[in-house]
Amino acid sequence: GENVEQHPSTLSVQEGDSAVIKCTYSDSASNYFPWYKQELGKRPQLIIDIRSNVGEKKDQRIAVTLNKTAKHFSLHITETQPEDSAVYFCAALSNAGNMLTFGGGTRLMVKP
Amino acid sequence: DTGVSQDPRHKITKRGQNVTFRCDPISEHNRLYWYRQTLGQGPEFLTYFQNEAQLEKSRLLSDRFSAERPKGSFSTLEIQRTEQGDSAMYLCASSWQTTGELFFGEGSRLTVL
Repeated sequence: GENVEQHPSTLSVQEGDSAVIKCTYSDSASNYFPWYKQELGKRPQLIIDIRSNVGEKKDQRIAVTLNKTAKHFSLHITETQPEDSAVYFCAALSNAGNMLTFGGGTRLMVKP
Repeated sequence: DTGVSQDPRHKITKRGQNVTFRCDPISEHNRLYWYRQTLGQGPEFLTYFQNEAQLEKSRLLSDRFSAERPKGSFSTLEIQRTEQGDSAMYLCASSWQTTGELFFGEGSRLTVL
């Protein structure tokens, strides 16, 4: 089955700096890669996603890049703000297209 | 509120007891998923339904776990003879088949004493 690795597990940045979180996946047939943000005690919520037919997608301060050859994708957050502090999960949709496999998460702390 | 709802939000039980969780998905979604999340980890897939059919079940899922979605709407997840290792947040999510985006509920937190 699909295996998703996520790095780093914790990331601390100063407000206004950029943050980058990286994920690798194992199933070359995976074709959908979402990113979820989970605040303490809350449900995971989708913040951005990318499909395998594009290499990059941007939405205001967040962007995701995908390298299908290397089987890795990354989340980029620019001009970080304290409210960006949360745990971020990457995921990949399995070969059969039936369920998402999640990475282990990155705890992002934005210091004011 | 038209989001995914789960009940109960918290459950404390003694080892060996049975527990049941309920999930009401977004009404127009035909897929329903159960995930388990422990502290500091990503959600771990348990099982999923398309309409009322249970199409996939994790190899890691013990026989003590059973899930149903009898009318293709709400779902229940039952854990029999609970063990301390079952303590976790049980997340339900729903999606429309063609998009892949999962909408999660707030979760049901289980504590087994």
